[in-house]
Amino acid sequence: SQQGEEDPQALSIQEGENATMNCSYKTSINNLQWYRQNSGRGLVHLILIRSNEREKHSGRLRVTLDTSKKSSSLLITASRAADTASYFCATRMNGANNLFFGTGTRLTVIP
Amino acid sequence: DGGITQSPKYLFRKEGQNVTLSCEQNLNHDAMYWYRQDPGQGLRLIYYSQIVNDFQKGDIAEGYSVSREKKESFPLTVTSAQKNPTAFYLCASSTGDRDVSPLHFGNGTRLTVT
Repeated sequence: SQQGEEDPQALSIQEGENATMNCSYKTSINNLQWYRQNSGRGLVHLILIRSNEREKHSGRLRVTLDTSKKSSSLLITASRAADTASYFCATRMNGANNLFFGTGTRLTVIP
Repeated sequence: DGGITQSPKYLFRKEGQNVTLSCEQNLNHDAMYWYRQDPGQGLRLIYYSQIVNDFQKGDIAEGYSVSREKKESFPLTVTSAQKNPTAFYLCASSTGDRDVSPLHFGNGTRLTVT
């Protein structure tokens, strides 16, 4: 299966700290995306990084991609209580029409 | 506001009944998707459609059926053949440019079958 695996499964930090989540996948990809899901809601797209990119920033988010290790990380800096959610990575293989989602990291930011 | 609307938010059915989940989008997106989410698991693809009147099975299509008669609409029917239908169902859409387009999700329908 192409499905990614996030690590850790759950993460609890204090407000103001940085949060790092990792994603590993199995086969070559066209791009990797990160999504956020608040409890009981749909997913919201955060950032997309292409296979030929190594790092991308968006506000307090920083994503890295290492295709040689088939892994990606999502860093949220200066976390806020409102960042509490589940975070999923999703990969799109070359030529594929759909995304494969990982199992998610549940982040809790304590005020 | 453009977006994806899933209805209803909660749905309860008796075992053996078919049930249809609605998904409508006004984003003018070509591609639409249905995912299933179970507790502690990632999303699993049920069906997807790249254009009107065409759709393909995903990883877990057994016990489900779809139609795509209009660009805006992609209803999912959960049939009595689906062994474990209780789950959170998410509909999504994208522009279809698979190299760069993210998915836009609805807020889901939680189906409970007893």
